[in-house]
Amino acid sequence: EAAVTQSPRSKVAVTGGKVTLSCHQTNNHDYMYWYRQDTGHGLRLIHYSYVADSTEKGDIPDGYKASRPSQENFSLILELASLSQTAVYFCASSAGNNNQAPLFGEGTRLSVL
Amino acid sequence: GEQVEQRPPHLSVREGDSAVIICTYTDPNSYYFFWYKQEPGAGLQLLMKVFSSTEINEGQGFTVLLNKKDKQLSLNLTAAHPGDSAVYFCAVPLGSSGNKLIFGIGTLLSVKP
Repeated sequence: EAAVTQSPRSKVAVTGGKVTLSCHQTNNHDYMYWYRQDTGHGLRLIHYSYVADSTEKGDIPDGYKASRPSQENFSLILELASLSQTAVYFCASSAGNNNQAPLFGEGTRLSVL
Repeated sequence: GEQVEQRPPHLSVREGDSAVIICTYTDPNSYYFFWYKQEPGAGLQLLMKVFSSTEINEGQGFTVLLNKKDKQLSLNLTAAHPGDSAVYFCAVPLGSSGNKLIFGIGTLLSVKP
């Protein structure tokens, strides 16, 4: 069964600390995405990737890095976490063909204190 | 840039009532769209894929109407039940490749017994 798995499901971090969110997909999809969800903003794209070892900036990349070491794995890295990065983060994957809806993970709730 | 406006942000109805969520997009070249459903604490699940070649799309108890002239699509629920309570998002692919989505802000639908 197609799946996108995120870890951890929730995390509390301190301001200035480093946070890594992980995503694993078993869909054999080329494209992977990281979105951020905030009330009143819907989902906004942070970074995405269409091939291993390459990442692209999305609409709100500042303060985030991404890493795609393999087709299956895509990480989001906050080198210096800030209060404003408290949000729910979603990973998604898609085949990259037109008309193919991305499949989403269950989300990671990040609280930066 | 391209935008998607979604309304209303909150919608409360009684069981058996109808409910309508509207999204307005700006890219006249958009030819397919997605509706996602997000239940509490969960990721986004694809509810419906909508193609502009068909002005009326139906599935899972919902009907989507597409008005290409006004660049507007509506998600219509004719007889709501409590299990429909969730946040609903419309999503519009960006650009010719369609590999990036722009999301509406979401509509929290509450269906009371």
